[in-house]
Amino acid sequence: GQSLEQPSEVTAVEGAIVQINCTYQTSGFYGLSWYQQHDGGAPTFLSYNALDGLEETGRFSSFLSRSDSYGYLLLQELQMKDSASYFCAVRNFNKFYFGSGTKLNVKP
Amino acid sequence: DVKVTQSSRYLVKRTGEKVFLECVQDMDHENMFWYRQDPGLGLRLIYFSYDVKMKEKGDIPEGYSVSREKKERFSLILESASTNQTSMYLCASSYGLAGEDEQFFGPGTRLTVL
Repeated sequence: GQSLEQPSEVTAVEGAIVQINCTYQTSGFYGLSWYQQHDGGAPTFLSYNALDGLEETGRFSSFLSRSDSYGYLLLQELQMKDSASYFCAVRNFNKFYFGSGTKLNVKP
Repeated sequence: DVKVTQSSRYLVKRTGEKVFLECVQDMDHENMFWYRQDPGLGLRLIYFSYDVKMKEKGDIPEGYSVSREKKERFSLILESASTNQTSMYLCASSYGLAGEDEQFFGPGTRLTVL
């Protein structure tokens, strides 16, 4: 089976850096994705890691360690608009398994 | 812009009714997915389809069926709606199985079964 664990809620102040961790257990692994979802909105894709290491896209970076079954999403220079839920998702061939989400609260 | 549309944003149905949720994508994507989203449980895969008339079960297919007669359209069917199927239903599509395979989500249908 598959299981993903991520913190349920994180709070940080505007301008700070926050890291959202995700650990996973899966019978097969192709890659780790991250999605952002604002309240009432649809999830939107942020990043995908298939290989170990750090991928950077603007203020957001995503890291993967396949040997540790672990990844994280790093958000820098936090802005109020970053307040949202963030989901990690494991890809196992052509299926995707999502974590329960981390609610990020950005305070002024 | 990729667009995934769902037939309704809000739907209220009675127990035992047959319910159809429709999803259409306009980017010629191979793969289409149906998820349900419940608080504290994240997104759970109900069914997905990687080609016309092809489908595979996800994690929670019980009580649901799907239909994909055309590449752009993927329907989720609740054969006999029950109260425990009250949820947010999200449709998604993606191009293929290689590379990043970013999924594009529709706005969701909030279904209430009374």
